[in-house]
Amino acid sequence: AQKITQTQPGMFVQEKEAVTLDCTYDTSDPSYGLFWYKQPSSGEMIFLIYQGSYDQQNATEGRYSLNFQKARKSANLVISASQLGDSAMYFCAMREVNFNKFYFGSGTKLNVKP
Amino acid sequence: EAGVTQFPSHSVIEKGQTVTLRCDPISGHDNLYWYRRVMGKEIKFLLHFVKESKQDESGMPNNRFLAERTGGTYSTLKVQPAELEDSGVYFCASSQGRATNEKLFFGSGTQLSVL
Repeated sequence: AQKITQTQPGMFVQEKEAVTLDCTYDTSDPSYGLFWYKQPSSGEMIFLIYQGSYDQQNATEGRYSLNFQKARKSANLVISASQLGDSAMYFCAMREVNFNKFYFGSGTKLNVKP
Repeated sequence: EAGVTQFPSHSVIEKGQTVTLRCDPISGHDNLYWYRRVMGKEIKFLLHFVKESKQDESGMPNNRFLAERTGGTYSTLKVQPAELEDSGVYFCASSQGRATNEKLFFGSGTQLSVL
């Protein structure tokens, strides 16, 4: 079964608008971490934001925030005030502490239009 | 501080040939991971080293793939003989520990094309 599901292969957003990238996950491990990575066309994977399964508040890092809904097992990434440089692939990932595995989704390609 | 480096960045080989990919993790990172992404699919786990030991190689597709990490420093991933379905981007990542909040630091990947 897929551990991380990203249902949006591609997304468009107008510059300066906000966009939400969806991510759902599947785990029976009570302790886990959720991550988002950005992969621009240059290829490197850039860490964006982290959310722990026991964290009470949604994580925020500058223009990035993570909408964590534990009961629904979703960890959507919200990018506010999109910029042209935000155009990239975005991967959702999960680390299970008990199994020490790091799972990734298939990614969402975001295009920011001027 | 140098990041994770991978070599080569691109490799084009013919079916049946051998290719060796190299990864240099961040200095001091005991944990080294190999992942692969086939176009349009998820990034899939291949294996995990802790220092020089293979902690988990459950993601290795078959015995045509051989990974080593001599001395617990750099790692190599050899594919022999390569098949068409081996094409994809091979990522290496490293981390210092294995806590839940420990993020992975990635290299830029090796784009492997098997013709």
